[in-house]
Amino acid sequence: GAGVSQSPSNKVTEKGKDVELRCDPISGHTALYWYRQSLGQGLEFLIYFQGNSAPDKSGLPSDRFSAERTGGSVSTLTIQRTQQEDSAVYLCASSLMYPGQGKATQYFGPGTRLTVL
Amino acid sequence: AQSVTQLGSHVSVSEGALVLLRCNYSSSVPPYLFWYVQYPNQGLQLLLKYTTGATLVKGINGFEAEFKKSETSFHLTKPSAHMSDAAEYFCAVSDGFGDAGNMLTFGGGTRLMVKP
Repeated sequence: GAGVSQSPSNKVTEKGKDVELRCDPISGHTALYWYRQSLGQGLEFLIYFQGNSAPDKSGLPSDRFSAERTGGSVSTLTIQRTQQEDSAVYLCASSLMYPGQGKATQYFGPGTRLTVL
Repeated sequence: AQSVTQLGSHVSVSEGALVLLRCNYSSSVPPYLFWYVQYPNQGLQLLLKYTTGATLVKGINGFEAEFKKSETSFHLTKPSAHMSDAAEYFCAVSDGFGDAGNMLTFGGGTRLMVKP
């Protein structure tokens, strides 16, 4: 079946502009995660959505970062007033959570490479 | 707080040689442990994971890893390297308790190079 898809694959923007990154999880997966992969910081957790629960935003680096998940499916990560340090690959992952049965494998998308000039 | 340390940011082996990628973790609770592989310009692909039960875990492409609680280690091995194994490998840990989010904490990654 189809895996996690992300768009765009590459995004170049100017400092100060806003950007939106999209993630389409695997159909039926209830959990969705955003991570950031950068040279200086490695792979970092950003935000987590599970069903209709409030998202866990504990990994967002600043209030310029936000994300939403509509209809329990597609998610959009928005970065306002981009800075050069936001340049990174943004990875989305989804998984099928089993309540009370521990953790499921996360399946990753190919990522969006963001370059802020 | 959880953390993961991967010893060696770059590892080079000859084709046919043993592959050993090291991973040590710290966690205040019994962890779930993962190895992911990332090929150039691609996302992460799960190689194997340890949750509970048998401590020797077999994964795809001939890789395996052993969970050693006493050593807080989860090293990745493969008996014979192939050229196609050249990639970056990430060890990750998550809190195995409850139904809270399964956020992964990653190590810094190890780039494996395979020489002909």
